[in-house]
Amino acid sequence: QVQLQESGPGLVKPSGTLSLTCAVSGDSISSSNWWSWVRQPPGKGLEWIGEIYYSGSTNYNPSLKSRVTISVDTSKNQFSLKLSSVTAADTAVYYCAREVSGSGGDYWGQGTLVTVSS
Amino acid sequence: QTVVTQEPSLTVSPGGTVTLTCASSTGAVTSGYYPNWLQQKPGQAPRSLIYSTSNKYSWTPARFSGSLLGGKAALTLSGVQPEDEADYYCLLYYGGAHLTWVFGGGTKLTVL
Repeated sequence: QVQLQESGPGLVKPSGTLSLTCAVSGDSISSSNWWSWVRQPPGKGLEWIGEIYYSGSTNYNPSLKSRVTISVDTSKNQFSLKLSSVTAADTAVYYCAREVSGSGGDYWGQGTLVTVSS
Repeated sequence: QTVVTQEPSLTVSPGGTVTLTCASSTGAVTSGYYPNWLQQKPGQAPRSLIYSTSNKYSWTPARFSGSLLGGKAALTLSGVQPEDEADYYCLLYYGGAHLTWVFGGGTKLTVL
């Protein structure tokens, strides 16, 4: 069974960089799938952040593109998110997910709350 | 800025039928937007229910179905159960220059 697990600091200072990793088990990150990040501010809806293919090809939400970097580490079967110049508006639960053909995400991680505060 | 619009809230009686819709600011939603539907209950991660308009996952209950209706994507729940009370999000794919997915604002479904 495919499982995804997010990890990273739960607290980031304003103007700093948020860094998260998604560890994948039950599937190879080098399979023919895209891997994505989604976030959800407290009490609000879901926002798609971006996606990566094992080759390193990426697509990003235009509203976040200038601050987002998604990378992949095939040797560790994981992918990562970096979001720079964070503010309180970036406080959210961050999810990682696997995309398969025609699906924006079939398997999802449990999510991790990241709070931006001094 | 592309906007995906859903009904903010709907109420349905147990055993009833309800249809949620998903519209795009760019025009009619077609199969080329690969409409997805996800369910989210409080404190839980989203759970995917429908992909590519009408395809179900192995875990999707039979009472959920997806379609295109009047230029929108639609999710129909037939024989609603109390446990279907949740937030439902649609997700559309925008190809072309940006290659992005965009979520709708979500529909809060109350079973009453």
